[in-house]
Amino acid sequence: GAGVSQSPRYKVAKRGQDVALRCDPISGHVSLFWYQQALGQGPEFLTYFQNEAQLDKSGLPSDRFFAERPEGSVSTLKIQRTQQEDSAVYLCASSLEVGSLREGEQFFGPGTRLTVL
Amino acid sequence: AQKITQTQPGMFVQEKEAVTLDCTYDTSDPSYGLFWYKQPSSGEMIFLIYQGSYDQQNATEGRYSLNFQKARKSANLVISASQLGDSAMYFCAMREEEDMRFGAGTRLTVKP
Repeated sequence: GAGVSQSPRYKVAKRGQDVALRCDPISGHVSLFWYQQALGQGPEFLTYFQNEAQLDKSGLPSDRFFAERPEGSVSTLKIQRTQQEDSAVYLCASSLEVGSLREGEQFFGPGTRLTVL
Repeated sequence: AQKITQTQPGMFVQEKEAVTLDCTYDTSDPSYGLFWYKQPSSGEMIFLIYQGSYDQQNATEGRYSLNFQKARKSANLVISASQLGDSAMYFCAMREEEDMRFGAGTRLTVKP
């Protein structure tokens, strides 16, 4: 398909486990974003990549969260030593190279629902 | 500080009627973009409409229109002729440079 894909769609982890969430952006999209969406809330920004460069990671809630995009396409969000408060839907979005704000329209993946027991 | 405010946690509308979902924003940047997304129960975020800060006219996309009042910093979404399939969460978002921030959302329920 031509859209943003994420895997797995659902992940259940025991507290303390490490998890890795994958995002495949739309081909050719330069910018990639990760968001955390708690139940009943709006998405909260986590981090942003332009190609392989992580330009903003100000939203990562702790040093247990780490994201990478080594070849400027697929990205992985890793959460170490998961805690119950990490339970949320993790959304990935991609957008064309930002030439204008209109081109900053973000296309979202279906999300990964993480449940930490 | 909260940059996007959606004051209506939930809204009800009768099928075929119009409804307005409120959104106010806060920025000192003269250049920004405003977006509305729909999120049905299945979870995907669906882009609805965009308004640029320099756009002179209000944006329209089919049954969706954006009531943009720049001086008041509001960007309300108007849905005309509501349909049962419009029942979902609706999020207002603002983009400044690379930064995109979302409001807390409004849950719209369309009654038959």
